[in-house]
Amino acid sequence: QKEVEQDPGPLSVPEGAIVSLNCTYSNSAFQYFMWYRQYSRKGPELLMYTYSSGNKEDGRFTAQVDKSSKYISLFIRDSQPSDSATYLCATLSGGYNKLIFGAGTRLAVHP
Amino acid sequence: GAGVSQSPSNKVTEKGKDVELRCDPISGHTALYWYRQSLGQGLEFLIYFQGNSAPDKSGLPSDRFSAERTGGSVSTLTIQRTQQEDSAVYLCASSLFYLAGGDTGELFFGEGSRLTVL
Repeated sequence: QKEVEQDPGPLSVPEGAIVSLNCTYSNSAFQYFMWYRQYSRKGPELLMYTYSSGNKEDGRFTAQVDKSSKYISLFIRDSQPSDSATYLCATLSGGYNKLIFGAGTRLAVHP
Repeated sequence: GAGVSQSPSNKVTEKGKDVELRCDPISGHTALYWYRQSLGQGLEFLIYFQGNSAPDKSGLPSDRFSAERTGGSVSTLTIQRTQQEDSAVYLCASSLFYLAGGDTGELFFGEGSRLTVL
């Protein structure tokens, strides 16, 4: 079993839709969770960062962590074509020396 | 430089040849990481440097893979006797602190080196 599981999609939605992206993780000791966004042929960039459980909001993006179910989510409101990218969830390893990534979900927002 | 620089951006090689991939991290960043990204597989950790030493090289797939970092700056990932399964995008990232991403979980990635082994 992978430490971080993520459905690779692809996910296709119309402009303006609410998008929900999800990951599960296996180690209850994980505390730090991130979402990275990767445009085609580019490196990933940090989008959201959360510590432990709860919600964090930044503009149209909300990151949510539920430690009881080991589930992390990213919600995108009023999705735009410019949101079309691959979204990767990640967690900081137990040794705090590397990030462990999910497979990434490819999102396409069409006008 | 302003960002993480990787070269070459694309490399096509024949099976059995050796390849070298180069990473130039953001100036002053002490930690440097190599990841591999294959289609549908996400980012697979390869090796991590703190300064010039590699405390964690647990992700290197085989002894054909090696990496070094000199002067606390540039790093080279070498793949010997390449195989077709080595075809992937090799991503380098750096961070200011020795903990991955410090307080923010932020690694700064280059655009990657796309390796194709024929």
